[in-house]
Amino acid sequence: IVMTQSPDSLAVSLGERATINCKSSQNLLYSVDNKNYLAWYQQKPGQPPKLLIYWASTRESGVPDRFSGSGSGTHFTLTISSLQIEDVAVYYCQQYISTRTFGQGTKVTI
Amino acid sequence: QVQLVESGGGLVKPGGSLRLSCAASGFIFSHHYMTWIRQAPGKGLEWVSFISSSGSDVFYADSVRGRFTISRDNAKKSLYLQMNNLRVEDTAVYYCARENLTTDYWGQGTLVTVSS
Repeated sequence: IVMTQSPDSLAVSLGERATINCKSSQNLLYSVDNKNYLAWYQQKPGQPPKLLIYWASTRESGVPDRFSGSGSGTHFTLTISSLQIEDVAVYYCQQYISTRTFGQGTKVTI
Repeated sequence: QVQLVESGGGLVKPGGSLRLSCAASGFIFSHHYMTWIRQAPGKGLEWVSFISSSGSDVFYADSVRGRFTISRDNAKKSLYLQMNNLRVEDTAVYYCARENLTTDYWGQGTLVTVSS
């Protein structure tokens, strides 16, 4: 399964909205449980990735509510509603319906 | 809290071998699938391999199948990655991570450099 993110990089003003798209080459909605097997990660320089969202729209515990995920099937979106300085990072989508595949990453800057 | 600590990285010549280890703590290791994910310098994330909770099922990326072997010792709460016939393109930080629906906790990583 190929995961394609857009854009590759994004510059957003503090307090403004950031939107990252992720497209899958195969359907990530599993009919048996009606769940989308799609996760989002945040990676800051020199750190391992941090899980933000799973099942396409469920926030991991402790993740600020300015982060939200949406979409279904093959098209997904990560939205940061009001960008903070600490949100500068690279963001990756990942499918987990079949082994694991990551998107190429989207770099978010101020 | 969940902790994953990788070790065993270093500099190796093309064609050489290396064994990575990952020590787990803060959770019931034997209940979870575990995974190795790598990141080449300045590049994105690439899933390498994962292993079932018992160790009976293993999966590999095409890029490493036949050269890498994943294993685990539940009594020692440890995960391993035996890497043989290493190539320059295997140069990366290798992360050990826990699987819990998806990949939820990651170690800090260990750097493997393949160069002559």
